Amino acid sequence: EPEVTQTPSHQVTQMGQEVILRCVPISNHLYFYWYRQILGQKVEFLVSFYNNEISEKSEIFDDQFSVERPDGSNFTLKIRSTKLEDSAMYFCASSEGIDLTGELFFGEGSRLTVL
Amino acid sequence: SQQGEEDPQALSIQEGENATMNCSYKTSINNLQWYRQNSGRGLVHLILIRSNEREKHSGRLRVTLDTSKKSSSLLITASRAADTASYFCATDPLYGNNRLAFGKGNQVVVIP
Repeated sequence: EPEVTQTPSHQVTQMGQEVILRCVPISNHLYFYWYRQILGQKVEFLVSFYNNEISEKSEIFDDQFSVERPDGSNFTLKIRSTKLEDSAMYFCASSEGIDLTGELFFGEGSRLTVL
Repeated sequence: SQQGEEDPQALSIQEGENATMNCSYKTSINNLQWYRQNSGRGLVHLILIRSNEREKHSGRLRVTLDTSKKSSSLLITASRAADTASYFCATDPLYGNNRLAFGKGNQVVVIP
């Protein structure tokens, strides 16, 4: 069964360092997303990506964040200068349709710990 | 404003019992979805109910939607220990942002 894969599963970094989280969405999906979940809190939307550009982003997704689809299969989230409050679980998701009429398929997440 | 706000609760039940959890939201929606998350894992889609539907079944899951009250419920019948997880509702808003908005989740523990 096709699945969304994410790497790394866990990354520990020092405050101020750059981090790249990688995702391989399901191959025939058109929409890609990043969500994050701070421990014990809500799953928060960060950004959606369609047709090689950002479709929508939340207020959380400020200038320190960027997304890229560098090679037609990977979908990356870069955090340029990490802060302590960036510590969270980051989930990549993809969906088949161009809107939200169907389900999102989530990866297992990348746990980011900023020290 | 946040949508998809579950009644925050941790539910502990015996295997075989039914588990019910609720979700309320604030604005008009296209659909509402329920997801499950095992501890430390990703979210898995369970069921989607559209705004023109009132009830939907999938296996042991039953979802209701009351758009007049802006609320939904998820019922898991004949619960199993493997149902132990957090359950999130997520709403697709009718107007504005094209994003799923998740609630905080309900933690369900099924005791064997």
